[in-house]
Amino acid sequence: EIVLTQSPATLSLSLGERATLSCRASQSLNRYLAWYQQKPGQAPRLVIFDSSKRAAGIPARFSGSGSGTDFTLTITSLEPEDFAIYYCQQRTDWPTFGPGTRVDV
Amino acid sequence: QLQLQESGSGLVRPSQTLSLTCAVSGASVSRAYYAWGWIRQPPGKGLEWLGFIYHNGNTYYNPSFQSRVSISEDRSMNQFSLHLTSVTAADTAVYYCVTEGDAYAFHSWGQGTLVTVAS
Repeated sequence: EIVLTQSPATLSLSLGERATLSCRASQSLNRYLAWYQQKPGQAPRLVIFDSSKRAAGIPARFSGSGSGTDFTLTITSLEPEDFAIYYCQQRTDWPTFGPGTRVDV
Repeated sequence: QLQLQESGSGLVRPSQTLSLTCAVSGASVSRAYYAWGWIRQPPGKGLEWLGFIYHNGNTYYNPSFQSRVSISEDRSMNQFSLHLTSVTAADTAVYYCVTEGDAYAFHSWGQGTLVTVAS
């Protein structure tokens, strides 16, 4: 099983600030790393796939990068709707998710 | 536009079988592009993948659930189903049906359905 670790667990930021979320894997991954956003009471929503491609309808302030064991989701300027929990997910092996990073005010 | 909708019993007795169905609209379950799957989320916790069924009927399950999980499809109804046997309270969760598409990401999600295991 590939274990994903996300840091920090909670990121407390203000509107307009830059958010940098980390996802680290227990072994080297292929490029199939995705990020999801989940708000309370809602299903997760795909944000980034293939490490760096934005999903349909995702604004340009979201970007993904990384390779090997270290991946990053960056939100350049936080908007009110961006405060949520973000999960990374790998598909080098059977799918596993990280424990999530909560981005709050 | 692809849409998924879960349905099934919201309360299951311990040791019984949890059964859920996902109705698909906007695409065919026989379409080769997608894998159709299930993910669950216990209250207040993270996401856990359970398994997939592919257009050709092949299945792929989380090894942790291999002995208890099965996923099937009904092409005539354009839906697929999850069965999880011998449930315990630890199986209480919101269950989502999903599609795995481009770059093996979960592009579409149902709204989720809460299943509680209790006597």
